[in-house]
Amino acid sequence: AQSVTQLGSHVSVSEGALVLLRCNYSSSVPPYLFWYVQYPNQGLQLLLKYTSAATLVKGINGFEAEFKKSETSFHLTKPSAHMSDAAEYFCAVIKAAGNKLTFGGGTRVLVKP
Amino acid sequence: EAQVTQNPRYLITVTGKKLTVTCSQNMNHEYMSWYRQDPGLGLRQIYYSMNVEVTDKGDVPEGYKVSRKEKRNFPLILESPSPNQTSLYFCASSLGRALDEQYFGPGTRLTVT
Repeated sequence: AQSVTQLGSHVSVSEGALVLLRCNYSSSVPPYLFWYVQYPNQGLQLLLKYTSAATLVKGINGFEAEFKKSETSFHLTKPSAHMSDAAEYFCAVIKAAGNKLTFGGGTRVLVKP
Repeated sequence: EAQVTQNPRYLITVTGKKLTVTCSQNMNHEYMSWYRQDPGLGLRQIYYSMNVEVTDKGDVPEGYKVSRKEKRNFPLILESPSPNQTSLYFCASSLGRALDEQYFGPGTRLTVT
């Protein structure tokens, strides 16, 4: 079965520091991969997605993620955290040609001034 | 304004009392889906629909029903709610497939006592 694991349910970073959120997937074939963000009391919003084109994917708000097949990873990064980045982030996967979106457990990011 | 709406936003009910959570989108999207969000588990897909009269089970369909009689609406029905269905529910829609960006509603917080 398709699954995705996010390492760390909570991450605390200082404003201006690097944000790194880890995501690993299990799949026998390259899947489609997504990062979604959930701001407090809101629904989810797409940050970026990987669909087998470029392995480095750039998203909104300065975020990017790199697909590494050898490591089955799709980690999310942002060079410099901003207070507005405080939110919960979800990695998600779809099996190629599938229609079920499977989410990881989420990582809550706290940004310290 | 393009949006996904859900009603009600908050609901407290008792075990066994049938309820319906409505979901409507105004973007002419074909794909719609329901998720539940529980702490530490991320979002889990309940049901999805590829188009009118086409629905399929997600990962946690037990205890839920859906229907898709019109393209814009995708209600979630709990015929006999139980306390383990206490959760935060999200409806989402996308243009044609789960692979496309999914637009999420604001969520419905359900408590079953």
